[in-house]
Amino acid sequence: QQPVQSPQAVILREGEDAVINCSSSKALYSVHWYRQKHGEAPVFLMILLKGGEQKGHEKISASFNEKKQQSSLYLTASQLSYSGTYFCGTDRMISSGSARQLTFGSGTQLTVLP
Amino acid sequence: EAGVAQSPRYKIIEKRQSVAFWCNPISGHATLYWYQQILGQGPKLLIQFQNNGVVDDSQLPKDRFSAERLKGVDSTLKIQPAKLEDSAVYLCASSLESLRVRDTQYFGPGTRLTVL
Repeated sequence: QQPVQSPQAVILREGEDAVINCSSSKALYSVHWYRQKHGEAPVFLMILLKGGEQKGHEKISASFNEKKQQSSLYLTASQLSYSGTYFCGTDRMISSGSARQLTFGSGTQLTVLP
Repeated sequence: EAGVAQSPRYKIIEKRQSVAFWCNPISGHATLYWYQQILGQGPKLLIQFQNNGVVDDSQLPKDRFSAERLKGVDSTLKIQPAKLEDSAVYLCASSLESLRVRDTQYFGPGTRLTVL
């Protein structure tokens, strides 16, 4: 089942902060965050693992709330280069037990203005 | 380290024609994924290979889509015949394996398909 991302879009000024949420109705084992710029491939940002581990990438950090089955991505002092669409992918084991795969949300479009 | 390679980058065809996309994963990556990304949506998994075997193709429209990964390295995705709703970006991704929770998928640049 597809995770739900919110908000769908956000516009902010350079230097402002933003939070993007990713919620799942199923138990989460890990959440993978990607950023995709227009016309380009999704680029891996970080993995959040079950257990509330917090990771960071530049001034972007994320948290994993197992109880809420939610992950949040925090963009601090945003830069123009942060513009793009952010996707979360929730991890699951397929029914045969032979592999894991990701189900991606519909994305959050972030626009950073000068 | 070279990334995931895909070709062609763009393709325009008419409905009912056939088309094929090629993907070469990162060297040493056992798992290869094909995704369909419709404008404004997240990537949707079509098929997943582990080496040269299919582990999941439950979302592949098998009446028109086919994929193969010969020798466990590069892969081809084919659509025959194409429909208007197949217009999308087709992304290929690879990972070292697919059983570990920490495994990261790396994406190629994609092929943008337009069906007229």
